[in-house]
Parts: sequence; C-alpha cells; structure tokens
Amino acid sequence: AQKVTQTQTSISVMEKTTVTMDCVYETQDSSYFLFWYKQTASGEIVFLIRQDSYKKENATVGHYSLNFQKPKSSIGLIITATQIEDSAVYFCAMREGDGNEKITFGAGTKLTIKP
Amino acid sequence: EAGVTQSPRYAVLQEGQAVSFWCDPISGHDTLYWYQQPRDQGPQLLVYFRDEAVIDNSQLPSDRFSAVRPKGTNSTLKIQSAKQGDTATYLCASSFFRTGEDTQYFGPGTRLLVL
Repeated sequence: AQKVTQTQTSISVMEKTTVTMDCVYETQDSSYFLFWYKQTASGEIVFLIRQDSYKKENATVGHYSLNFQKPKSSIGLIITATQIEDSAVYFCAMREGDGNEKITFGAGTKLTIKP
Repeated sequence: EAGVTQSPRYAVLQEGQAVSFWCDPISGHDTLYWYQQPRDQGPQLLVYFRDEAVIDNSQLPSDRFSAVRPKGTNSTLKIQSAKQGDTATYLCASSFFRTGEDTQYFGPGTRLLVL
C-alpha cells in the first residue's frame, strides 16, 4: 500500500528567501508519480508540479522545483524567492503505476512567509 | 476554460439530516473524483468515476454515502444521515485520463459542519 509522509507540520520563513519542504513516500511499484499541491486559505487546491519516477531530471516550474532522491524515496519541494502569497498548506501526493488513478496525499505542511 | 465548480460552498446540519453536494467538472474531463478532507489533514479519496461508471468506491461509507454521475458529466455526492464525524470539506476533482494528462484539478470544496 502506498503511503506519503510529511513530517514538517509548519514552516515559517522570511520573504524572498528559499524554503524546502520534505516528503517521503512508500510504494512497492517501480513506476509511480509524485505531485505537489498548494491549498490556499480559501480552501482552493492548486496543482503545482509533478515528478514521474522514471525521469532522472528534477522537475522545475516557475519558482518551484523538486529534489527527487529516488534511493531515499524522497521528493522535496523547493520554493525560491518566496512571496507573501506563497503562504499556504502544501501537500505532497503520490499515484502508483499505470492505470491507477488513486492519489494518496500527505498530511500537509503549513508555510508562512513573513514580510 | 472554466474550472471545477461545486455547490453549495457551505452546509450546516444536525445529526441525522441528509445533504447533497454537486460537482461540475472541467468540460471534457472523463474522470471525476470525490475526496473528504477532515480538518488539518490531506484529502482522502472516497470514490471516483470514469465517465458514468464507478471505478472505485471502496472508501465510501456505503451505508450512508452515495455518489452518482449518470451522464458522465456532473456528479452528486449524498450523505443520507449525517454524523458529527462527517464534518469535513468535500472536494471534487477531475482529470482527462484518456489523453494521458492525469493531473487532477480541484474544485473549491464544500465545507460541511454536522452539529
């Protein structure tokens, strides 16, 4: 069974700095897909970035990038040049294998950006 | 392109009352998901559809919860006799799985409070 663990309950950093949020996962599948989502204060959940397990290169989208360490079953989210509006809860999620649309989410990390 | 829409946005019930949630996915998306998100937790999948067919409802409390998607477009999630433990946000998401674009896009959610 798949499992996703985010051990950081909350993080607080100053604006314009870089922050890394941790996520580790468990799976028996050789093929899997990892996602990061952001949930704003209004409750809206927004897809940010994904990493497919067979890709060696770390994904990057805008000021979001991933640190994919497959041997450690780890997928960290890095946000550079943080802005106040990046304050939100960030969820790591995983989908196993082909033809399986079930996504398992972690418990989330609350990020606060201070001015 | 319009996103996933849900209604109502909020619902307050007494235990034992019934409630229905409605979801309109992104136009053309073939797969629709319902999640339950308790406070301070990640979303947890309840049920998902491919077109009008239920693919997996193993996490749906079948004695009180039901979900339908009769025409493969809009969907309704119903709780027959609500309990305080059902207090949560109910999220709908959709994806266009057949194209291989399997990223899920979420609606704003319905916040349910059962007194």
